[in-house]
Amino acid sequence: SQQGEEDPQALSIQEGENATMNCSYKTSINNLQWYRQNSGRGLVHLILIRSNEREKHSGRLRVTLDTSKKSSSLLITASRAADTASYFCATDPSGYSTLTFGKGTMLLVSP
Amino acid sequence: KAGVTQTPRYLIKTRGQQVTLSCSPISGHRSVSWYQQTPGQGLQFLFEYFSETQRNKGNFPGRFSGRQFSNSRSEMNVSTLELGDSALYLCASSFGKGDYGYTFGSGTRLTVV
Repeated sequence: SQQGEEDPQALSIQEGENATMNCSYKTSINNLQWYRQNSGRGLVHLILIRSNEREKHSGRLRVTLDTSKKSSSLLITASRAADTASYFCATDPSGYSTLTFGKGTMLLVSP
Repeated sequence: KAGVTQTPRYLIKTRGQQVTLSCSPISGHRSVSWYQQTPGQGLQFLFEYFSETQRNKGNFPGRFSGRQFSNSRSEMNVSTLELGDSALYLCASSFGKGDYGYTFGSGTRLTVV
């Protein structure tokens, strides 16, 4: 079953614009992670935020976590065409490498 | 350092056959987990191995099985293949404890005809 639900399902923007994706989940978590997948290839880990953290930054990425609302957001600033990919949030309720993924947001960044 | 290696990259099998997929984790990682990705169901957890022991299993039929060797390499096996088993199978390696992200392989694309 899907733990996380991303919103929107698809997002189309121009290069230089910011992209925001949201994720909601159902159960308590140890951490929440965001991954990127390019065209049916493997997943690339972007960022992990622990349940006791509220915000985290990594380069052009900013992730927030609101455990009271069971939601997270991923902001990509100054998007580039190379950011075109599907983005997934994943939770690890057990802490034993059993990630539960949402259905993902497809991001298209046009030059 | 070398990434997670999955072999083969592509596979075409006939219904009723069985298949074995291989995953070599990053050196030092003791946990290997497997995921199935389909357009309809998305990414679903299959099972996870840590130090040769299966710690968790997802909601898949018994036709799906796996194992992990002493060098942490893992294999998954699907017997009596069905058309619905066509999917991208991904493995991920990690230390197995603590708050770490997981490193995924490029996947094995299985097509059942």
